Amino acid sequence: DAGVIQSPRHEVTEMGQEVTLRCKLISGHNSLFWYRQTMMRGLELLIYFNNNVPIDDSGMPEDRFSAKMPNASFSTLKIQPSEPRDSAVYFCASSLVGGGDNEQFFGPGTRLTVL
Amino acid sequence: DQQVKQNSPSLSVQEGRISILNCDYTNSMFDYFLWYKKYPAEGPTFLISISSIKDKNEDGRFTVFLNKSAKHLSLHIVPSQPGDSAVYFCAAKTRGNTPLVFGKGTRLSVIA
Repeated sequence: DAGVIQSPRHEVTEMGQEVTLRCKLISGHNSLFWYRQTMMRGLELLIYFNNNVPIDDSGMPEDRFSAKMPNASFSTLKIQPSEPRDSAVYFCASSLVGGGDNEQFFGPGTRLTVL
Repeated sequence: DQQVKQNSPSLSVQEGRISILNCDYTNSMFDYFLWYKKYPAEGPTFLISISSIKDKNEDGRFTVFLNKSAKHLSLHIVPSQPGDSAVYFCAAKTRGNTPLVFGKGTRLSVIA
């Protein structure tokens, strides 16, 4: 079975450009979490969805960040315009609402560098 | 304000000995605790978890202990193996399908 799939794995862009990160959930999962990892702050939640509905976006740093779930198995995280301080590793994770173990399965991450 | 703290950024242990990784939390509403293991250039992978109604959970070489009164949990790995060398994250969550709150991780090095 395929795990959580993220693309691209690496992204290097210049300040001011739009960046789109993509995530495909594990088949059958219905909850999606976006996290960001930085040296200073560690792993932090940006936003999460249950059944395609955004539940908590309080971790989204600014209006420059937006996330969508156009369908039940896919999500995008967009940054526009990007800034050097957005450089980080972005992870998405999926889980099953009502699943017994509360376990979240993580993708391999997208390493974003904004020059 | 960090709700989950891992105060040791790194730990070095000899192969075959016990590794003990510690984690403290501040939020009394946390109901479930998890340990994740992370290798470079990969996402975190689930290792073991414990519910707040238990004080111990064991899975092979890995055991997690929870002390609710002290708001402290620990992960024991015995015996430690070189393949256990990774960054270990402690995470906690409240009841239901809610986000994980992570510590900053402890880098474990198991020396052969």
